[in-house]
Amino acid sequence: GQNIDQPTEMTATEGAIVQINCTYQTSGFNGLFWYQQHAGEAPTFLSYNVLDGLEEKGRFSSFLSRSKGYSYLLLKELQMKDSASYLCAVRPRNNRLAFGKGNQVVVIP
Amino acid sequence: DADVTQTPRNRITKTGKRIMLECSQTKGHDRMYWYRQDPGLGLRLIYYSFDVKDINKGEISDGYSVSRQAQAKFSLSLESAIPNQTALYFCATSDGTSGYTDTQYFGPGTRLTVL
Repeated sequence: GQNIDQPTEMTATEGAIVQINCTYQTSGFNGLFWYQQHAGEAPTFLSYNVLDGLEEKGRFSSFLSRSKGYSYLLLKELQMKDSASYLCAVRPRNNRLAFGKGNQVVVIP
Repeated sequence: DADVTQTPRNRITKTGKRIMLECSQTKGHDRMYWYRQDPGLGLRLIYYSFDVKDINKGEISDGYSVSRQAQAKFSLSLESAIPNQTALYFCATSDGTSGYTDTQYFGPGTRLTVL
């Protein structure tokens, strides 16, 4: 089976930077996804990494180290609307996405 | 209009009843998926289909069945609902043509409660 590990919750102040970590152990590796999910809503796609390094998209950046089985999502200039759960998902050799339990980020004024 | 729609959005039913959840998409994607989400457990794959004639079990298919009626429609059935099937159910689609990226796009979800 696959093992995806994320911390459960963190609180950060509006305007700050927050880093959400994800470690994984999978059978093969065909890429890692980050999704944002507001409470009771659908997950929405944020980023995809398949090669080592940093991918930047506006206020959000995602980093991958395949040798360490590690990724992080960096959220800059936090806004209240960023309060959500952030899901890490890995595509292993069987190509079926395996999701972590998600990390709840609470943004406070 | 939403690209991936699910009906119903909320459903309360009783143990033993047969329930069908429906998913439709206008994205033209070949691949469709059903997941359930429980607090503290994350998203888990129930069934998936890569085209109209293809059906595959996911990690938690027991107690569920699916039907792929057309490229745009994928239904999930609970033949005899039980309380531990109370969860938030999501349908997702992907186009299957972008290699390993194959990003999945999710519908709004169906909240199912089995009493």
